[in-house]
Amino acid sequence: GAVVSQHPSWVICKSGTSVKIECRSLDFQATTMFWYRQFPKQSLMLMATSNEGSKATYEQGVEKDKFLINHASLTLSTLTVTSAHPEDSSFYICSAETGYYNEQFFGPGTRLTVL
Amino acid sequence: KNQVEQSPQSLIILEGKNCTLQCNYTVSPFSNLRWYKQDTGRGPVSLTIMTFSENTKSNGRYTATLDADTKQSSLHITASQLSDSASYICVVSAPQAGTALIFGKGTTLSVSS
Repeated sequence: GAVVSQHPSWVICKSGTSVKIECRSLDFQATTMFWYRQFPKQSLMLMATSNEGSKATYEQGVEKDKFLINHASLTLSTLTVTSAHPEDSSFYICSAETGYYNEQFFGPGTRLTVL
Repeated sequence: KNQVEQSPQSLIILEGKNCTLQCNYTVSPFSNLRWYKQDTGRGPVSLTIMTFSENTKSNGRYTATLDADTKQSSLHITASQLSDSASYICVVSAPQAGTALIFGKGTTLSVSS
């Protein structure tokens, strides 16, 4: 089946620093990838839709200057959390879209902790 | 308003027992309905995906049903195992609604020995 990887799986950083999270589709090409964040005991919340070769589309309330998304190739999208603050601590999950149903295959997630 | 409601919020069952999780949605029209399993600290994994014309779909011990008239879906788990302990999320795809996927809040299932 379609496999999506994320790196790193967890990261701890100091407040004010920037953190980059990579999302890769390992065995398929994905024109569209998605970035979600999930707080404890909550459902996934879509942050942005990432399209290869074009600017990402951000959901209402998500700061595009804080959460920089780059979809440089059909197998890689990156999310950079700039000037991270403790309130940015969360579980970030990416997904890549493929197939007849435009099914989304999710990565394993990245746990970000900002001290 | 497009919504996906799941019940129960949480469920505890004994190993080997069966259980059924419910999903009601108000999304219309929709493309397909999906059930995902999410282990703690992991990304969701797809169990089933059904279009509006499909009534049932199975994946091993997991069987999903869909009634597009009543806008209800269920996920039945047979002969539960400890490894079934996870959050089960119902997701509706409705591109026409302007949002690619609409997520339910999930049902947390705990299987005990």
